[in-house]
Amino acid sequence: AQSVTQLDSHVSVSEGTPVLLRCNYSSSYSPSLFWYVQHPNKGLQLLLKYTSAATLVKGINGFEAEFKKSETSFHLTKPSAHMSDAAEYFCVVFWNNNAGNMLTFGGGTRLMVKP
Amino acid sequence: KAGVTQTPRYLIKTRGQQVTLSCSPISGHRSVSWYQQTPGQGLQFLFEYFSETQRNKGNFPGRFSGRQFSNSRSEMNVSTLELGDSALYLCASSLPGATEAFFGQGTRLTVV
Repeated sequence: AQSVTQLDSHVSVSEGTPVLLRCNYSSSYSPSLFWYVQHPNKGLQLLLKYTSAATLVKGINGFEAEFKKSETSFHLTKPSAHMSDAAEYFCVVFWNNNAGNMLTFGGGTRLMVKP
Repeated sequence: KAGVTQTPRYLIKTRGQQVTLSCSPISGHRSVSWYQQTPGQGLQFLFEYFSETQRNKGNFPGRFSGRQFSNSRSEMNVSTLELGDSALYLCASSLPGATEAFFGQGTRLTVV
C-alpha cells in the first residue's frame, strides 16, 4: 500500500524568497513520485517526476525536488518565488503493474506568495 | 498530439438525477483512471479501466460506475446524485507500463 503526506496544508512566502513544500511517502516498493500544480479552476499540470533515475529532479518553472529514500521524502523547492507560483501543489505516488495503475495524492499544499 | 479531453467542462444537475461524464485519452493510451476532487476530501481515486476492463476501484458507493469502450474512451456515471457529489472530476490516461499519467482539464459537476 502507498500513502502520501504533505506536511503543510498552507505555505506563505514573500516574492523572491525560497520555497519549500514538504512531502513524505510510504510505498511497499520503489515508487514513481510526482509533483503536480493546480491553479485556481484549472486542471493538474505536471511539475516534475522521479522514476528511479537521478535523485535530484529538475522540473518546469525553476522547481526541483530531491528523492531521499532513507527519509522517504520528496520535498519540492524553488530558489526564488514568483507571484505566478501561487497555486495548490500535490505530491503524488504512481504505481503501475499488471494489476493496474493508480495515483495516490497527498492532501495538497496551498502556496501563497506575498508581494 | 491531442491531450486528454473531458466533456463537458461544466455541469449543473439536480439532486436525484444521474450524470454521465466522458473522457477521451491520448491516442494509444489504453489505461484511463478517474479521480474526484472536493475541498473536504482532496483528490480521491474512483476507478481505473484498461482494455475495457475495470482493474481497480476506489472506496466509492455503487452509485459511481464507469465503463471503457474499444477505442479506450471512458465514461463515468453517477446515479441518484447527492449534494456531496459536487466536485471536479478528473481523468488521466497512461500507456501500459508507463511511469506517468496525463490529466484532462476536468469536469466540474455542481449538484443543486
